Amino acid sequence: NAGVTQTPKFQVLKTGQSMTLQCAQDMNHEYMSWYRQDPGMGLRLIHYSVGAGITDQGEVPNGYNVSRSTTEDFPLRLLSAAPSQTSVYFCASGNLGEQYFGPGTRLTVT
Amino acid sequence: GESVGLHLPTLSVQEGDNSIINCAYSNSASDYFIWYKQESGKGPQFIIDIRSNMDKRQGQRVTVLLNKTVKHLSLQIAATQPGDSAVYFCAENDGGGSNYKLTFGKGTLLTVNP
Repeated sequence: NAGVTQTPKFQVLKTGQSMTLQCAQDMNHEYMSWYRQDPGMGLRLIHYSVGAGITDQGEVPNGYNVSRSTTEDFPLRLLSAAPSQTSVYFCASGNLGEQYFGPGTRLTVT
Repeated sequence: GESVGLHLPTLSVQEGDNSIINCAYSNSASDYFIWYKQESGKGPQFIIDIRSNMDKRQGQRVTVLLNKTVKHLSLQIAATQPGDSAVYFCAENDGGGSNYKLTFGKGTLLTVNP
C-alpha cells in the first residue's frame, strides 16, 4: 500500500511551457485534491474531485486544469507555466478532514 | 498563535513541556476544524479534528479546544518531544457549498529543544 504518490519530485520549467503533475492513490478514496503551498503560507486548494468524472474548482484554479478518469489518478496540468506558479504542489486523497497527502512536487518556473 | 490568513508565528519549548498552538478563524459559519502537522520536506499529516458541536476533543498526547464565541481553536501537545518539531496548521470547513473545501491557516512553527 503506497498511499499517495506524486511525480516528479522536482521540476524546473521555462515560462510558457506545459507539464502535468501526476498523482495516484491506492486506497480507493473517492475524494482527491490538489493544493499549492507558497513560502510561509498555508495550503491553498486548486482543484478537487469527489469521484471519477467529477471535478470542481478550489480557491486558486486559474492556470490549472484537472481531470479524473479513474479513481486512482488525478493529474494536474499547467498549460502555460508562469513564474507565479512557482510553488510546492501537494496532492491529497481521503475524507474531508483526514486527508492523506503525497510528498509534494517542487516546481520552479523561470 | 496563528490566524487564518496572517504571518507564520513560532513557538519554542523545552522537551517534556506542554505546548499550546493557537488559531483564530474569521468565518462564523465554519463547523469543522482540523489540525495538521507538517515536517520539513513532507506533506501535511492529519492530527485531530473537531466539529462545532463539541468544545474539546482528545487524542493521543493531543487535545483540541474550540471556543466558538471568540472563534478560537487551540492544539495542546502534552510532554512535547523532539519529534513534535514541525509546522502545525489549522484548517476549517464552513459546511456550505462543498463539504470538501478546506481553508488552511498559515501555520505555526514548533521547535522543541532537547
